Order: sequence, then structure tokens, then C-alpha cells
Amino acid sequence: DAEITQSPRHKITETGRQVTLACHQTWNHNNMFWYRQDLGHGLRLIHYSYGVQDTNKGEVSDGYSVSRSNTEDLPLTLESAASSQTSVYFCASSESLGQSEQYFGPGTRLTVT
Amino acid sequence: AQSVTQLGSHVSVSEGALVLLRCNYSSSVPPYLFWYVQYPNQGLQLLLKYTSAATLVKGINGFEAEFKKSETSFHLTKPSAHMSDAAEYFCAVSSGSARQLTFGSGTQLTVLP
Repeated sequence: DAEITQSPRHKITETGRQVTLACHQTWNHNNMFWYRQDLGHGLRLIHYSYGVQDTNKGEVSDGYSVSRSNTEDLPLTLESAASSQTSVYFCASSESLGQSEQYFGPGTRLTVT
Repeated sequence: AQSVTQLGSHVSVSEGALVLLRCNYSSSVPPYLFWYVQYPNQGLQLLLKYTSAATLVKGINGFEAEFKKSETSFHLTKPSAHMSDAAEYFCAVSSGSARQLTFGSGTQLTVLP
């Protein structure tokens, strides 16, 4: 069965370190998204990609970057982790149409100390 | 621009009672609307979606939602709550050709025995 996976599931890091969260999907979807989930804010879009070599900034992109070198993967990098980036991160993917639902990974809980 | 408002961050119902979770949206073009459910420590799972076909949409686990354009609403209902329905529920909107989703802040549903 097709799926979307994230790794690691839990990560503790120190302020100032670079961190990369992995996202891999086997749906063969063109669209991929990264969200962060914080209490009271729902899910907020960090970055998204509509295909290989395409990346776009979302609502809360400061301090984050992504790259898309193939269809399956969209890694999220925190260039210099800050305590404000402690959160749960979700990756999602969807087919190309606006009416298509997004399929979510299980999430990565990141703690920055 | 698009936005979603979920009224009530916490809703409690007794087992067997009606579940009503409210969602109002704002969109400059005809929207696509989604309800997702999130169980503890899991990713989001699609409950149902509205894509301009029937205004009453049936989803999984006995949930349904009705699209009311005049009220800009897409409320989620279930006739009889079950203990297993306890979770967080998110309403989301996508507009036109946009493939991004804008999420509400979520409603935590508690089911009392």
C-alpha cells in the first residue's frame, strides 16, 4: 500500500544546531507540504512543493528550508534551531487538483533545548 | 484569500448524543472543504470532503457534513456519539486551483460515558 513516512518520529536537539526532518511518500504525488502544529494554532503551512525542483514558502517559513530533488522526498531543514521551533511537524502529499485531499504522515515531535 | 473558523475549541457530548462541530469558511471563489480527524499521537485522517457535487456529504465512521453557501458553513455532525469518536477535528478549505489547504484551529471532542 502507498504511504507517507516521516523520520525521525522524535528528536531532541540544541539551540543553534542544524536539523533535517525526512518525509518520503510512495503515492507518486506531485504535491508535498510541510506543516507545524502548535496548541491553539491548528496546522500552519511552512513550505510546499508542486513538483521536482519546485519549492514555495508558506505562512511560517522563516528559519526553514526545503529541497525537492525527486518525487518521493521533501526534507525539511531547520538551519539553526530555535526554541520557538519546538513543535510537531507533519508532512503531507496530494494529487495535482485543488479538490484533492492531502494524505498525512505520522508526524515528528521536535524539541529544541 | 481563504480562512476557516471553528467555533468551540472544546466540545463535550455524552455517549449516544448528537455530535455537532461547527466550521465557517471564507473564500473568494467556490471552495473545496474538508474535515479531518486526528487521534492522539497520529497524523490527520480524512473524514469527508465537499467538492461541489452534493451539498450533503457522507464520510467515514457515520459522520456527515452539509455545505451551506448562504451561511458559508460546513458543520460536521454525527447522530450518535461513540467513545471512539474522541479526537481532535479540523476543518480545512481549498479554493479554486489552489492546492494548499488552510486549516481551522481545531475542535477537541470529548465523549462522556
